[in-house]
Amino acid sequence: EIVMTQSPATLSVSPGERATLSCRASQSINSNLAWYQQKPGQAPRLLIHGASTRATGVPARFSGSGSGTEFTLTISSLQSEDFAVYYCLQYNTWARLTFGGGTKVEIK
Amino acid sequence: EVHLVESGGGLVKPGGSLRLSCAASGFTFSLYTINWVRQAPGKGLQWVSSISSSSSEIFHADSVKGRFTISRDNAKNFVYLQMDSLRAEDTALYYCARGTYGSDYFDYWGQGALVTVSS
Repeated sequence: EIVMTQSPATLSVSPGERATLSCRASQSINSNLAWYQQKPGQAPRLLIHGASTRATGVPARFSGSGSGTEFTLTISSLQSEDFAVYYCLQYNTWARLTFGGGTKVEIK
Repeated sequence: EVHLVESGGGLVKPGGSLRLSCAASGFTFSLYTINWVRQAPGKGLQWVSSISSSSSEIFHADSVKGRFTISRDNAKNFVYLQMDSLRAEDTALYYCARGTYGSDYFDYWGQGALVTVSS
């Protein structure tokens, strides 16, 4: 099983600042990585797929990068609605899909 | 507009069974893989099961293999998750999620069905 490790577990950021979230895979997953945002009481929302492609309707302040085993989600200027938990998902092996443990982005 | 609506959740005793349903609308259901993903209270996301568009490929996470069975009815636009031999650690919110066409990540999610396993 491919293990996905997200860091940090919690990120304290002021509105308007930049947030950088990391996701590491235990083995290469090429670019088969997606990022999701989840707010309390809501289902996850797709932000990024293919490591760097924004999903439809996702603001340009969200960007993804990386390939192989190291990936980054960057939120260039945090808005109030961006405070949430973010998960990465590897889909390199369909029969063994795995999520990272999540990063909570909270208001500093 | 894509809609996925889960139902069938509830309270069940350890060792019991429950069947979740996922009703889909707003897209050509028979072309898409459908998945179940769960989230224990206060915890992260865990993939549970996947079924391909024609039911030719079915996968389950090791933690539920032999106890859970995923199936679908393309005529009715439904996916099911039969859960047997339930354990306390199966307590979670179970989401139905569509696999995007041509790839394996999830693009649309339902709002979830809560399953509580407790005596």
